[in-house]
Formats: sequence, structure tokens, C-alpha cells
Amino acid sequence: GEDVEQSLFLSVREGDSSVINCTYTDSSSTYLYWYKQEPGAGLQLLTYIFSNMDMKQDQRLTVLLNKKDKHLSLRIADTQTGDSAIYFCAETLNTGFQKLVFGTGTRLLVSP
Amino acid sequence: NAGVTQTPKFRVLKTGQSMTLLCAQDMNHEYMYWYRQDPGMGLRLIHYSVGEGTTAKGEVPDGYNVSRLKKQNFLLGLESAAPSQTSVYFCATNDPGAFEAFFGQGTRLTVV
Repeated sequence: GEDVEQSLFLSVREGDSSVINCTYTDSSSTYLYWYKQEPGAGLQLLTYIFSNMDMKQDQRLTVLLNKKDKHLSLRIADTQTGDSAIYFCAETLNTGFQKLVFGTGTRLLVSP
Repeated sequence: NAGVTQTPKFRVLKTGQSMTLLCAQDMNHEYMYWYRQDPGMGLRLIHYSVGEGTTAKGEVPDGYNVSRLKKQNFLLGLESAAPSQTSVYFCATNDPGAFEAFFGQGTRLTVV
């Protein structure tokens, strides 16, 4: 079955690192994603990782994938107030079209 | 280059009224999707289309109908709105094999 879970809320201070966690249950997922949603806006792809990778780094973002535990994390280094948003973890199944299954979203609040 | 445009951005309906949400894309993508976003539940797939003239049910299709008469447009209809359909609706598009989906800005619908 398909189920993606995230904690609902995370609060950090500016300059700290943020770690947002996600668990998924479908081991056949081929791609895993992190989307960012700013207030009143649509979803923007932040980063992604293929299921055959363990880690991906992109500037301040580090994605870690633990396939054994079906655990995905997003680390944001030197978190800024502009990083305040909702972050969605999503997985896609190779079912002939790209069906995205989203987590519940984690609201990140960065305080000065 | 507009990308994915949703119309309208906001709407208030009375119970029992009907309306149509329009999603227009100028990226020539084959696949189009309608999602609804509810607090604490992430995004759930309502209906999707893998090409002009095709539609299929997603996870939560009841109470909605869709049509894709033109490749660039995907319409979501509510025949008799109910308060349970109060939500934020997102349209998304991508192409076969592409890892990134592009989202519209969303339509906030309130049914009273």
C-alpha cells in the first residue's frame, strides 16, 4: 500500500540546521521528492532522489534515503527565515504514469 | 511563459451549486492531474489524464467530474457542491518519464 508520513510541525532558529523526516511504506517507489509550498502558493520541487541513491547534496540541502527503513530526510543547513514554508515528501510509483503520493506536509517555522 | 494557470483563484459556493475549475498549461505536457489539499492530509489525487480525450479516477474522485477535450486544458467540475469539498485544489502537469511535475498556484474553494 501507499502511505507517506511526516511530522506536522518543526520550529528552529535562524542559522540552525533543520531536519525534516518522512517515512514511506511502498518499497517499489522509484523516485522520492521534497516539495516546498510557501504561503498562498503552489508546490515547487525542491529536490529529489532516485531510489538507488543513499544521499544527495544540493547547496544547503542534503537528502538522505534509508531504503531498509523506508526513511527519507531533508536537512537544510543554515536555515533562513525565507525557508519558512510547508515541506512535502512525495513518492512516485512507476505505474505507467507518474502518480505522486504525498505526505501530510511539515510546517517549518524559522524564527530570527 | 505562464506554465500552469488555474482559474479562478478563489471561490465561495453555496451548497448544491455547481462550478468548473480550469487548469491551462502551455508546456505541451501529456499528463495532467487534479489534487485537493486539506489540513493534515497532504495532497490527494482526485482525477488525472494521460492525454487529450482521456480521464481516469484517482484516490478521491467522488463528487467530481473532469474533461480533457483539449491537450492544454483540464477541467474539474463540481455538479452539486458540498461543504466537504471545501479545500484548496491544485492542478499539476508533466510528461511521461519526467521526474518533475509542475503545479498551478491553487484554487481556494469554500462551500457554505
